[in-house]
Amino acid sequence: TQLLEQSPQFLSIQEGENLTVYCNSSSVFSSLQWYRQEPGEGPVLLVTVVTGGEVKKLKRLTFQFGDARKDSSLHITAAQPGDTGLYLCAGGLVFGAGTILRVKS
Amino acid sequence: GAGVSQSPRYKVTKRGQDVALRCDPISGHVSLYWYRQALGQGPEFLTYFNYEAQQDKSGLPNDRFSAERPEGSISTLTIQRTEQRDSAMYRCASRSSGGAWGETQYFGPGTRLLVL
Repeated sequence: TQLLEQSPQFLSIQEGENLTVYCNSSSVFSSLQWYRQEPGEGPVLLVTVVTGGEVKKLKRLTFQFGDARKDSSLHITAAQPGDTGLYLCAGGLVFGAGTILRVKS
Repeated sequence: GAGVSQSPRYKVTKRGQDVALRCDPISGHVSLYWYRQALGQGPEFLTYFNYEAQQDKSGLPNDRFSAERPEGSISTLTIQRTEQRDSAMYRCASRSSGGAWGETQYFGPGTRLLVL
């Protein structure tokens, strides 16, 4: 059974700080997806990483796929209150438990 | 349609009753997925369809849960003899094809089920 473990489970930071969220597995994934979910809404896809070692940037968000395609990270630079939400990594049908991010102004 | 829609948005039922949750995917999308999501947690896979064929139902918790997509469009998730532990947010998602995961999975707003 493929499992995805996310850390930390909860993160509360001040506006302007940087943060990194991790997604780890003992299994190899052909691709990993990162989603952001706001309260009362469904998850919305941010990015898909496919190639081992790949780095993708989306404005202040940087996503990296591990060389062995077993792990991924999401780095947010200069976090803003609008970044608050639940961040999920997924490998197809398998989702991690999520990281709840709260950015205080 | 413009997006994935689900109905009802909220359902309160008594223990032992049957409930039917509906998902209307984005028009033309081949794949349709059902998930269950606890508050503050990631979605838990239940089952999925390509067209009208159920491809994987390994995530259904037990035989009280069933799903169908008879015409390859709208899908219904049915829970028979509901129990309090079935209370959760049930989400549907669709993708344009059933191929590789480079394509976006679009989620619906969910149905919040409360079993009293």
